[in-house]
Amino acid sequence: GAGVSQSPSNKVTEKGKDVELRCDPISGHTALYWYRQSLGQGLEFLIYFQGNSAPDKSGLPSDRFSAERTGGSVSTLTIQRTQQEDSAVYLCASSGSSYNEQFFGPGTRLTVL
Amino acid sequence: GNSVTQMEGPVTLSEEAFLTINCTYTATGYPSLFWYVQYPGEGLQLLLKATKADDKGSNKGFEATYRKETTSFHLEKGSVQVSDSAVYFCALSDKDAGNNRKLIWGLGTSLAVNP
Repeated sequence: GAGVSQSPSNKVTEKGKDVELRCDPISGHTALYWYRQSLGQGLEFLIYFQGNSAPDKSGLPSDRFSAERTGGSVSTLTIQRTQQEDSAVYLCASSGSSYNEQFFGPGTRLTVL
Repeated sequence: GNSVTQMEGPVTLSEEAFLTINCTYTATGYPSLFWYVQYPGEGLQLLLKATKADDKGSNKGFEATYRKETTSFHLEKGSVQVSDSAVYFCALSDKDAGNNRKLIWGLGTSLAVNP
């Protein structure tokens, strides 16, 4: 597609349930990032994929969070046993340039009740 | 570690006023610097960037100069419009040992421009 797409755009879930968030990066972009935008806390890095290399998971806040990227394209961020503090906008970005110009998707707004 | 500090908002200006949003950074290497903008109801968009010292990024009348001596990347616009109302984020990226160029973000500055 022309840009980064994410689905769903909104997700409301109950505490303790698992959720999956999807990201379709720009075709040909080898780098993919997940960020979280929380109210009052700004944006924080979660995880980074680059080609076939092992992902950099250093930003994941707990072991309830995981992500995978299949075939070097689509990525799924999974949050298990969701907690209320997981409520945020989850943003995906992809990049194909060496200067890291990242292109962002519209985000998924997650609300944990 | 790397960090970005930008002025707190909200900033409220009248149309055609001069805008400055301050941004300073701390980095161990030679980062690239960015300003992103988030218009109401929309996703983050790259506004401008600079990849080395003394570079000036510019777009849509906005400018920012990469000042290594003051570790700053202040955003300026000479005459703001109502359509510039948005949240502005300063960010840096610095390649780490794993080639990860993740962005480190400021907290964002909300700008409201009144007609």
